[in-house]
Amino acid sequence: QKEVEQNSGPLSVPEGAIASLNCTYSDRGSQSFFWYRQYSGKSPELIMFIYSNGDKEDGRFTAQLNKASQYVSLLIRDSQPSDSATYLCAVLGTGGFKTIFGAGTRLFVKA
Amino acid sequence: EAEVAQSPRYKITEKSQAVAFWCDPISGHATLYWYRQILGQGPELLVQFQDESVVDDSQLPKDRFSAERLKGVDSTLKIQPAELGDSAMYLCASSLGAGTQYFGPGTRLLVL
Repeated sequence: QKEVEQNSGPLSVPEGAIASLNCTYSDRGSQSFFWYRQYSGKSPELIMFIYSNGDKEDGRFTAQLNKASQYVSLLIRDSQPSDSATYLCAVLGTGGFKTIFGAGTRLFVKA
Repeated sequence: EAEVAQSPRYKITEKSQAVAFWCDPISGHATLYWYRQILGQGPELLVQFQDESVVDDSQLPKDRFSAERLKGVDSTLKIQPAELGDSAMYLCASSLGAGTQYFGPGTRLLVL
């Protein structure tokens, strides 16, 4: 079992729809959870982070965390073609020392 | 806005040659990371520094890779000799602690 798992996709949604990206992790003691966006050929950039169970909203983005289920998700509302990218889930594990990245989910937003 | 700097942006080399990458983190960031990212995969941590000390190099192929951060500021990653399988994007990131990481533009390496 991989430490951080994501569906590789591609996930294809029409413009204006909600895109739902999911991530599961194996380290039950994980403390912090990050979503990065990576455009093709570019480096990752932080979208948002979440520490506590529940939802965290930032503009069109909502991160959801369920530590009991070891599950974190990212919702993108009103998806735009410019949201087409790979979304990386990153988990800071027990001890707050090492961050593990998932392989990423490719998202395509069709105009 | 402060950024992580990396050079070169692109490097083409022949196998068995030596290559070196440089990274200058955001000022004040004590933690510096070197990642390797193969197309279609997530970043894989090669080495993590806290100031000038290596705190994790468990995935660094030490027979050919070396990394240093002598004064706890900028860092160099070296590969000698390069192999075909080393072709990848090499990313440098920095953070204040172990939280949010800020990535540089990366160095794309092609080994022929």
